[in-house]
Amino acid sequence: SQQGEEDPQALSIQEGENATMNCSYKTSINNLQWYRQNSGRGLVHLILIRSNEREKHSGRLRVTLDTSKKSSSLLITASRAADTASYFCAPSGSARQLTFGSGTQLTVLP
Amino acid sequence: NAGVTQTPKFQVLKTGQSMTLQCAQDMNHNSMYWYRQDPGMGLRLIYYSASEGTTDKGEVPNGYNVSRLNKREFSLRLESAAPSQTSVYFCASRGGLAGVFNEQFFGPGTRLTVL
Repeated sequence: SQQGEEDPQALSIQEGENATMNCSYKTSINNLQWYRQNSGRGLVHLILIRSNEREKHSGRLRVTLDTSKKSSSLLITASRAADTASYFCAPSGSARQLTFGSGTQLTVLP
Repeated sequence: NAGVTQTPKFQVLKTGQSMTLQCAQDMNHNSMYWYRQDPGMGLRLIYYSASEGTTDKGEVPNGYNVSRLNKREFSLRLESAAPSQTSVYFCASRGGLAGVFNEQFFGPGTRLTVL
């Protein structure tokens, strides 16, 4: 299965702090994607990192990928209340569809 | 561009009733997907369509049928609804070449309750 497993399941931090969540997977990949889901909404694509990349930035987001450990991390810097959401990773390889794990529920307290 | 749209937003059915969830995208994407999300869980793939005229089963296809009506539209049908199908249903689409997975775009979801 190419399903990613996010860790921790839940994370609660104060506004302004950094939030780090991790993703592990089991098979070889072409790329790995991170998505955000606000309560009651559909998923929104955040960032895609290819298998030959080790780090990628987008605004306050920093994603790392370690293919030797089959793991990725998503760092959100200077978090805001609006970052409160569930975050999902989706490793992508030879399969024709993405498989999503249960996500990390991030709560940013004002 | 509206992106991915879904109708209806909410629906309540009685056990045994049938209904069709509609999904449309205006991004000229080849691939479309139907997922369900149960409380506190991730998304599970029901069916997908890699291109117009093709459909394939996902992880949880039992109790559902799909139709890729044209490139824009992908509908999901529940022939005889069961309480276990109470869930939030999301449609998604993806452009780009087959075999290289880029981002998926999601609709706002349909909340379905089966009594």
